[in-house]
Amino acid sequence: RKEVEQDPGPFNVPEGATVAFNCTYSNSASQSFFWYRQDCRKEPKLLMSVYSSGNEDGRFTAQLNRASQYISLLIRDSKLSDSATYLCVVKSGAGSYQLTFGKGTKLSVIP
Amino acid sequence: DADVTQTPRNRITKTGKRIMLECSQTKGHDRMYWYRQDPGLGLRLIYYSFDVKDINKGEISDGYSVSRQAQAKFSLSLESAIPNQTALYFCATSDLTRNYGYTFGSGTRLTVV
Repeated sequence: RKEVEQDPGPFNVPEGATVAFNCTYSNSASQSFFWYRQDCRKEPKLLMSVYSSGNEDGRFTAQLNRASQYISLLIRDSKLSDSATYLCVVKSGAGSYQLTFGKGTKLSVIP
Repeated sequence: DADVTQTPRNRITKTGKRIMLECSQTKGHDRMYWYRQDPGLGLRLIYYSFDVKDINKGEISDGYSVSRQAQAKFSLSLESAIPNQTALYFCATSDLTRNYGYTFGSGTRLTVV
């Protein structure tokens, strides 16, 4: 089983739609979780951390289910500018040096 | 100026040539990393460094070497470039004391012909 798995997509959605991305991770000792956004040919940028209780940042909501080792990202009212690849990222252990990246899910928001 | 700066942005080199990619940061982070990204394979760790005296191999270090010249500088070398090292290379930094993930440079697009 791969360490961090995501549906590669692409997800093609109309403007205004709600879209959800899912991610599973294999290391039950993982302690920190993130969603990164990567535009084409650009560097990944931190979108939001994911907390156990779930957290929201504007139109974006992240959820974590430790029992199922599952992370999700919900985008409401999609904008054209949301078109990008979304990377699920996991860090194992408080002192861990390394982030493990999923391969990403590509989102295209269509006018 | 960017927090993490990579040079060059783009480079085309010939098989067998030695090439160095450079990374500098102004964030004051101790930890620095080199990744490569290939279509369909995601980001893969090449080397990482916790401080100037600490260098560690990542999952795909063969064919690469690194140098941590100072806390703020971390360079990646391809001793004898080969075509399958054609990729997008990213430098990143992180701070152990903060759980904010990594800050990436803008990347170096390397083509080996």
